[in-house]
Amino acid sequence: NAGVTQTPKFQVLKTGQSMTLQCAQDMNHNSMYWYRQDPGMGLRLIYYSASEGTTDKGEVPNGYNVSRLNKREFSLRLESAAPSQTSVYFCASSGARGMNTEAFFGQGTRLTVV
Amino acid sequence: AQKITQTQPGMFVQEKEAVTLDCTYDTSDPSYGLFWYKQPSSGEMIFLIYQGSYDQQNATEGRYSLNFQKARKSANLVISASQLGDSAMYFCAMREVSQGGKLIFGQGTELSVKP
Repeated sequence: NAGVTQTPKFQVLKTGQSMTLQCAQDMNHNSMYWYRQDPGMGLRLIYYSASEGTTDKGEVPNGYNVSRLNKREFSLRLESAAPSQTSVYFCASSGARGMNTEAFFGQGTRLTVV
Repeated sequence: AQKITQTQPGMFVQEKEAVTLDCTYDTSDPSYGLFWYKQPSSGEMIFLIYQGSYDQQNATEGRYSLNFQKARKSANLVISASQLGDSAMYFCAMREVSQGGKLIFGQGTELSVKP
């Protein structure tokens, strides 16, 4: 049971380069999320998708774009990476918009922008 | 404004003792859910416990219980009989109906269990 799969696990980018973080879930979940985790800041929501074809900004969307390609996949794109985007990125999914459904997380992507 | 506040950056507890991790939240939505997650040093996020705003009783899951005080807008996690394996980061999170299902996290508390 794969759950939520993120690729890549590690990435080093140069300032100004672009890249896409991939996320796929096999639990038939409607909702998907992208977070970034920085020391002392907890997990901050970048973008959220309640269902296929919909996306919504989170707490820190600047510098990022997302695509909900289908129900399974939710990608996060950095068009022009900056050192401030050095972080650990987590993708998550949950079963419904119901209040009692927990989110399941991928293993994270450690991104360094130099 | 911070929606979820965890005021304890770090906590220490002696093995086999109980510990309370604080979480306060801010919402005007009558319908919301509160979650606690554990993140060990390996990095994965592990769901621990859930409390709904309309739940009459405090949630419990094994050694974890949630001290839910709705009027004070607090949802503290209580870990009983601490074990060395409980050393980790702990995050409180909230989902509000009015926000369409977004799950927002607090800053986290790092718990260290001493032998």
